[in-house]
Amino acid sequence: DAKTTQPPSMDCAEGRAANLPCNHSTISGNEYVYWYRQIHSQGPQYIIHGLKNNETNEMASLIITEDRKSSTLILPHATLRDTAVYYCIVRVEAAGNKLTFGGGTRVLVKP
Amino acid sequence: DGGITQSPKYLFRKEGQNVTLSCEQNLNHDAMYWYRQDPGQGLRLIYYSQIVNDFQKGDIAEGYSVSREKKESFPLTVTSAQKNPTAFYLCASSMAIREDTDTQYFGPGTRLTVL
Repeated sequence: DAKTTQPPSMDCAEGRAANLPCNHSTISGNEYVYWYRQIHSQGPQYIIHGLKNNETNEMASLIITEDRKSSTLILPHATLRDTAVYYCIVRVEAAGNKLTFGGGTRVLVKP
Repeated sequence: DGGITQSPKYLFRKEGQNVTLSCEQNLNHDAMYWYRQDPGQGLRLIYYSQIVNDFQKGDIAEGYSVSREKKESFPLTVTSAQKNPTAFYLCASSMAIREDTDTQYFGPGTRLTVL
C-alpha cells in the first residue's frame, strides 16, 4: 500500500486559500489520490480525487505533481465551516476497495 | 434526499450484550462497508459487501457479524465476543467495487459505548 504523509496541523485565515500538502512517494501508476475531510464526530466527507491531471470541483482543487509523488489540496476561500481533519488517501485496489486513513491534517480556520 | 443513514447516533449497551447498528442507503449503490474509528485514529475496515447476499471480512472482523439481505441495508452486529466494542462506527457505500475510481460515501456514524 502506498502510504501518505501529511503535516499534523495547520491554521488558515478565513477567506484566504488553504493549501494542504500530501506526500505519497511510493504511489503506483494505477493508484488514485483521494481527499476526504472529517468534522468532529461526523462521518468523513468526500472532497475530490485524481490520477494524473489536476482536478477541480465545487469544493476544492487538487494539484498532482508530474511525478505523482505529492499533491496539494486547495480550498480557495476557507470558511469557519472548513475546520476539520483532512485526509489524503491513496486508493488500495485489493481487499475490498478499502480506504486507508492515516493521521490527516487538522485544519483550523480562524476569523 | 439521497444519502446514507445510520441509527441511532448514540448507543449505550451493557457488557456482554449483542447490539445491531443500522445502515440504510437510497443511492442505489451496490457496495457497502463498515468501518470502525477509535479516538484520534484512522478508519479500519470491518466488513464489506459487493452485492446482496454476499459479504467479506475486512481487517478487523473478529467479534462482528453482518448481513446483506437487501441492496439498501447492511446492518452490523457487535457481538459479546468483541473485546473492545466502544468506538465510532461508520457505514459507507459506493457504486461498484471493481471500478478504478469508486468513490465511497459515508453516513453520519453511530457512537457505541459499552458500559
